Amino acid sequence: EIILTQSPGTLSLSPGERATLSCRASQSVSSYLAWYQQKPGQAPRLLIYDASSRATGILDRFSGSGSGTDFTLTISRLEPEDFAVYFCQQYGSSPTFGQGTKVEIK
Amino acid sequence: QVQLVQSGAEVKKPGASVKVSCTASGYTFASYGITWVRQAPGQGLEWMGWISAYNGNSNYAQSLQGRVTMIADTSTTTAYMELRSLRSEDTAVYYCARGFAVAAKLDHWGQGTLVTVSS
Repeated sequence: EIILTQSPGTLSLSPGERATLSCRASQSVSSYLAWYQQKPGQAPRLLIYDASSRATGILDRFSGSGSGTDFTLTISRLEPEDFAVYFCQQYGSSPTFGQGTKVEIK
Repeated sequence: QVQLVQSGAEVKKPGASVKVSCTASGYTFASYGITWVRQAPGQGLEWMGWISAYNGNSNYAQSLQGRVTMIADTSTTTAYMELRSLRSEDTAVYYCARGFAVAAKLDHWGQGTLVTVSS
């Protein structure tokens, strides 16, 4: 099973700041990595797939990068609605998820 | 627009079974599969398995083998997930999501179904 480790566990930032979230895989997943946003009481929402492609309707302040074992989700300027939990998921083999990074208001 | 609508919350006793439904609309059901993911209270996401709506092929997480069955009914565009021999640690929100293959991004999700296992 491929283990995904997300860091940090919690990111405390102010609106307008840049957020950088990390996801590291225990072995290469090529570019088969997605990022999801989840708000309290809601289902996850796909943001990024294939490491760097934005899903339909996702604004360009969200960007993804990386390949192999190291991946990054960047939110260029945090808006109030961006404070949420973010999960990465690999689908290079039997799918697994990271444990999540909570982006909270500082 | 693509929609996945799940059945309502369930309360079950340990040892019982639960069956959650997921009705799809807005796309060609048989062209995709359905992945099931669960989330225990305050925890992360756990991939449970995937079923092809095209031919019924399924792939389950090893941790759930023998307790879970997933089916897809193309006549009603509804997918089902049955989990048997329930334990307290199965208490979670269960989500269905559209996925093209076993290993794929999940581009549309159901609203979730809370299953509570308690004596």
